[in-house]
Amino acid sequence: AQKVTQAQTEISVVEKEDVTLDCVYETRDTTYYLFWYKQPPSGELVFLIRRNSFDEQNEISGRYSWNFQKSTSSFNFTITASQVVDSAVYFCALSEAVYNAGNMLTFGGGTRLMVKP
Amino acid sequence: EAQVTQNPRYLITVTGKKLTVTCSQNMNHEYMSWYRQDPGLGLRQIYYSMNVEVTDKGDVPEGYKVSRKEKRNFPLILESPSPNQTSLYFCASRPRQGSEMNQPQHFGDGTRLSIL
Repeated sequence: AQKVTQAQTEISVVEKEDVTLDCVYETRDTTYYLFWYKQPPSGELVFLIRRNSFDEQNEISGRYSWNFQKSTSSFNFTITASQVVDSAVYFCALSEAVYNAGNMLTFGGGTRLMVKP
Repeated sequence: EAQVTQNPRYLITVTGKKLTVTCSQNMNHEYMSWYRQDPGLGLRQIYYSMNVEVTDKGDVPEGYKVSRKEKRNFPLILESPSPNQTSLYFCASRPRQGSEMNQPQHFGDGTRLSIL
């Protein structure tokens, strides 16, 4: 069975600080996909990134970066120079390989990030 | 514009009164699913559908029904709602085949249900 753990339920930082959101996963599959979603106060889910299990390159997109480490089953998300608009709940999620019938997304419990001015 | 549309966005109702949350997508996606979001638990899958007339249970199907009579629509039915079904619900869709099937799911904007 798949499992995603986001141990940090709430993080509070001051604007311009860097912050890392942790994500640890469990799966028996050798092929899988990892995702990060953002849920702002308005409630919708905003897709941020998808990474497959064969691609361990770190990725940077503006102030966002992701560190995928298969050896520790982690897919951590860092926001550099945080801004108030980054305040949201962030979800890490795992999906089995697409050939699996269910292809369910398994979500972590989420991390609420509060960025104070 | 590609989108997944849920209705209603908000609903307050009472125990036992049957309700349906509609979900419609305009992307011709084969795969659709329903999730519920509860504090500390993230999102959990209720039901999914691989195509028309093909549905299956997710992690938390008890108390829910779904149907998939048309490709675009995937309604979630609560025959006899109870307070423990108070939650935020999301519908999602994705292609099931072809080069697009690796793409992330498209989510609707959510439906907040309160069962009193």
